[in-house]
Amino acid sequence: GAGVSQTPSNKVTEKGKYVELRCDPISGHTALYWYRQSLGQGPEFLIYFQGTGAADDSGLPNDRFFAVRPEGSVSTLKIQRTERGDSAVYLCASRDGNYNEQFFGPGTRLTVL
Amino acid sequence: AQKVTQAQTEISVVEKEDVTLDCVYETRDTTYYLFWYKQPPSGELVFLIRRNSFDEQNEISGRYSWNFQKSTSSFNFTITASQVVDSAVYFCALSEASAAGNKLTFGGGTRVLVKP
Repeated sequence: GAGVSQTPSNKVTEKGKYVELRCDPISGHTALYWYRQSLGQGPEFLIYFQGTGAADDSGLPNDRFFAVRPEGSVSTLKIQRTERGDSAVYLCASRDGNYNEQFFGPGTRLTVL
Repeated sequence: AQKVTQAQTEISVVEKEDVTLDCVYETRDTTYYLFWYKQPPSGELVFLIRRNSFDEQNEISGRYSWNFQKSTSSFNFTITASQVVDSAVYFCALSEASAAGNKLTFGGGTRVLVKP
């Protein structure tokens, strides 16, 4: 079946602008995660959704970052007033409730100029 | 707090050589899960294996094998008879059963370069 998809694959924006990154999880997966991967580093956890609710948002770096999952499927990560330090690859993953493996999407590479 | 350390940042080998990637973890939980993911140049993280903290049996899958040692908090990964297609960054990760949703904590990754 189809894997996790993310759009756009690349996003270039200017400092101070607002961006939205989209994640389409594997159909039927109730758990959804956002991670951020800076160059040369491992992914870092941002937020976890179980169904429609954010069950753990402890990884969001500040209040410029927000994510939603209104219908328990597609999720959008929103970043306000972008800064150059936000440049990274943003990864989305989903998990079947019965298993522990997270399956990752291809990521969105965000570049803030 | 949980932590994963991959001390090797880059390993270069010639095809057909074996390569072992080290992973050391820290956690206060008694129930946890350990993972290895592969990130090829295309960028997508590919799941390789999951181990539960209560199952120390080593595992072999084709040319891949994993050695889990609770006594030393290590979960090492060996690629036997490496191939050029094995060139990638490999990440070890940990999730704690007590953490909401079993979020993953990743190590810094080890880049493996297999030369023909």
